[in-house]
Amino acid sequence: NAGVMQNPRHLVRRRGQEARLRCSPMKGHSHVYWYRQLPEEGLKFMVYLQKENIIDESGMPKERFSAEFPKEGPSILRIQQVVRGDSAAYFCASSRTGITEAFFGQGTRLTVV
Amino acid sequence: EDQVTQSPEALRLQEGESSSLNCSYTVSGLRGLFWYRQDPGKGPEFLFTLYSAGEEKEKERLKATLTKKESFLHITAPKPEDSATYLCAVQLTGNQFYFGTGTSLTVIP
Repeated sequence: NAGVMQNPRHLVRRRGQEARLRCSPMKGHSHVYWYRQLPEEGLKFMVYLQKENIIDESGMPKERFSAEFPKEGPSILRIQQVVRGDSAAYFCASSRTGITEAFFGQGTRLTVV
Repeated sequence: EDQVTQSPEALRLQEGESSSLNCSYTVSGLRGLFWYRQDPGKGPEFLFTLYSAGEEKEKERLKATLTKKESFLHITAPKPEDSATYLCAVQLTGNQFYFGTGTSLTVIP
């Protein structure tokens, strides 16, 4: 019974490149949340998705960031033209129904050089 | 504006010294309150869910309680392995989870 799987665990990108972060939710979970965490800061909500739908993207920057959760396959958080300020840990969580607890993956640590 | 505030920011305890962590919230449309534990370099680990004022949940040395304005995480006779950052989160009626900044707990042997 695998937990939430995120890959890669560590990602290094040069400024201007694209970063693609993947999240496979727990089996039977159809709700996915993405969060960003900076050192010494809390988890900041970015986007909430259900299969094939974005439910709430109010925490995601309007430019360069996008997210999807297709019918088949993992959820993807895409950051285009990365800048140094995008360096952070990005966590994904999944929930079975959206009103039950969410379980987190181990995160992807993005470093922009 | 919806807010979740945790206190203290950091807490150092001697092994066996019981204490409480606080999570206060001002939100509209609370669906539930959740406690997580996060170890350095890892993702948050789910601990408890509380849905209504007066509710309590227990697990080993931890007990979580909820009122209309705040939640407490009580730690009884802590051990060094309880050292971690404890996060609380509120879930609103839109199903989003919003987190506080956490309490960093250090338990000294």
